[in-house]
Amino acid sequence: EAGVAQSPRYKIIEKRQSVAFWCNPISGHATLYWYQQILGQGPKLLIQFQNNGVVDDSQLPKDRFSAERLKGVDSTLKIQPAKLEDSAVYLCASSFRQGGSYEQYFGPGTRLTVT
Amino acid sequence: KNQVEQSPQSLIILEGKNCTLQCNYTVSPFSNLRWYKQDTGRGPVSLTIMTFSENTKSNGRYTATLDADTKQSSLHITASQLSDSASYICVVRGWDSGYALNFGKGTSLLVTP
Repeated sequence: EAGVAQSPRYKIIEKRQSVAFWCNPISGHATLYWYQQILGQGPKLLIQFQNNGVVDDSQLPKDRFSAERLKGVDSTLKIQPAKLEDSAVYLCASSFRQGGSYEQYFGPGTRLTVT
Repeated sequence: KNQVEQSPQSLIILEGKNCTLQCNYTVSPFSNLRWYKQDTGRGPVSLTIMTFSENTKSNGRYTATLDADTKQSSLHITASQLSDSASYICVVRGWDSGYALNFGKGTSLLVTP
């Protein structure tokens, strides 16, 4: 079974630039999550999709972050404009359904460095 | 305030030795608790999951315990190997947290030859 795919794996940009990350979840998984993991901390949920609808985006900085999952499969996360504090690993995860009993499978992450 | 606290923050042990990582949580009511292993540059991978009715769960050399009364969990690693070097993250889900998970900051384990 193929895992969660993310690209790019690494990205370096200057502050005020924009950047986009892509995620392809495990086939058949209805729920997709984007997390931000700052060095030395656990992941923080940014947004959760159920198919192509948003379930939870309460911790997404909506003035600069946006995400979409138009066809209920792939998803993109965008930051515009980036700030220094956005430097982190952005993890995408997917699960068969939403709910605590369904395991979340994580992708390898995209490491973003904002200079 | 983080509802999941892990200790120690980091740990160095010799190959072949055992170690125990701790997780204390305040998430209530409690649904389940997971331990994840995160290798450097990789996403977290689930090791164990326990509901409130389970006291222990094993996965090879990894054994997790749970005391729902004291809201404590531990992850015991037996006969450590170099490949165990990673960050171990405790994740707790509560019934009233929607579908969000509460992540600890992780314990960074280094196994040396």
